[in-house]
Amino acid sequence: GESVGLHLPTLSVQEGDNSIINCAYSNSASDYFIWYKQESGKGPQFIIDIRSNMDKRQGQRVTVLLNKTVKHLSLQIAATQPGDSAVYFCAERHNYGQNFVFGPGTRLSVLP
Amino acid sequence: SQTIHQWPATLVQPVGSPLSLECTVEGTSNPNLYWYRQAAGRGLQLLFYSVGIGQISSEVPQNLSASRPQDRQFILSSKKLLLSDSGFYLCAWSRAHEQFFGPGTRLTVL
Repeated sequence: GESVGLHLPTLSVQEGDNSIINCAYSNSASDYFIWYKQESGKGPQFIIDIRSNMDKRQGQRVTVLLNKTVKHLSLQIAATQPGDSAVYFCAERHNYGQNFVFGPGTRLSVLP
Repeated sequence: SQTIHQWPATLVQPVGSPLSLECTVEGTSNPNLYWYRQAAGRGLQLLFYSVGIGQISSEVPQNLSASRPQDRQFILSSKKLLLSDSGFYLCAWSRAHEQFFGPGTRLTVL
């Protein structure tokens, strides 16, 4: 179900290092997953997506990995920059439905 | 390209007052539309979604309601606001498998 009411975990990384943000999803019937980035006071911004028939997908500086065996999704950000500081959410779509279920989010802080 | 608008951007309302938040989408037709609420420092809570004009599904029972009078217009309303209605309200649209969010409305109920 939805992770409403949970305070955000925080990940702090040094500028230039790689970041790995993890997400556990709940429904083995989920067919599609999205990672969003949300900066303070703004709406979530689409970063990258992956279908359930894939294990890995790469974008510009970002890679999403999907492990369906343990229902785990991760977002890897290479060479993390100060502009990457934000809250990152994963979302899953259940069985080709209309609704997306969001994870609780992770706050990424990039240290100078 | 598609764009999604929300207004107002910020709103301060007294307890017991009515509410109307508007969301419009441009550049697409027959989108699925969604209203989410986000409390400070927390995740997204789905409030309503709509797959077509006049079709509204409610996910969480509360004093809010939604309407879709036109294909690309989605309105969130309340007759009497509660303190607990404060939050960041996000409208989103989807077609096929992608979902995109608007800029949000920050509502403070005093």
